Amino acid sequence: NAGVMQNPRHLVRRRGQEARLRCSPMKGHSHVYWYRQLPEEGLKFMVYLQKENIIDESGMPKERFSAEFPKEGPSILRIQQVVRGDSAAYFCASSRDVGETPYFGPGTRLLVL
Amino acid sequence: AQSVSQHNHHVILSEAASLELGCNYSYGGTVNLFWYVQYPGQHLQLLLKYFSGDPLVKGIKGFEAEFIKSKFSFNLRKPSVQWSDTAEYFCAVNGGDKIIFGKGTRLHILP
Repeated sequence: NAGVMQNPRHLVRRRGQEARLRCSPMKGHSHVYWYRQLPEEGLKFMVYLQKENIIDESGMPKERFSAEFPKEGPSILRIQQVVRGDSAAYFCASSRDVGETPYFGPGTRLLVL
Repeated sequence: AQSVSQHNHHVILSEAASLELGCNYSYGGTVNLFWYVQYPGQHLQLLLKYFSGDPLVKGIKGFEAEFIKSKFSFNLRKPSVQWSDTAEYFCAVNGGDKIIFGKGTRLHILP
C-alpha cells in the first residue's frame, strides 16, 4: 500500500528557471491538494484538483503557478520563472473523496538560488 | 470563509507534563476536523480526526481531542508527554471542498 509519493524530494533551481513538482496520490484517491509550507507560516492551501479538473485554485498565485491532474499520471505543480521567494516546502495530499481524510506526501523542498 | 486559529505558536514542556493545544475554527456549517503532527524533517501524519459522533476523539500515541461545537474548538490533549512528542502540530478544518490548516504549534519536550 504505497502512500502519497512526491518527487523530487529536493529541487534546486536558479532564478528564472522552471520547477516541476510531481505528486502521485494513493491508490484509489482521485482528489489532490497542494500546500506550501514556509517557516512560521504553517501550511498554505494552494489548489485542489480532481482528475482532469481544478476545483479550487483560490490559493494559487495568479502568475507563474499552474497545476494539473491528468487522467493518467501524477498531478503536476508547475512554477515558471522561479524567484527566491518561491523557496519553500511543497506538500501534496490526496483523499478518496471530498471531505475525507487527506494523506500527505513527503514533500518537495524547493530552493531557488 | 473558513479559518483556523492555533493559539500557541511555541510550547515547551517537561516530560510527563500534561499537554493541551488550542484550536479554534471559523465556519458556519458542518465541519470535519483534524490534527496532524510533523516530526522534524518529516511529512505530516494524521494524529486523529473528527467527522461525527462522540465529540471526544482518541488518536494515535495517546493523543485525544474534544470537539466543542458551541466554542468552535477542537483542542488537542495528552495527559503525559514524552520527549519523542517534540514536533509541530497542525489543526485543520474541512468545511467545504478544501482543507484549511492553522499556523501550527511547535512543541518542545525537555528530557
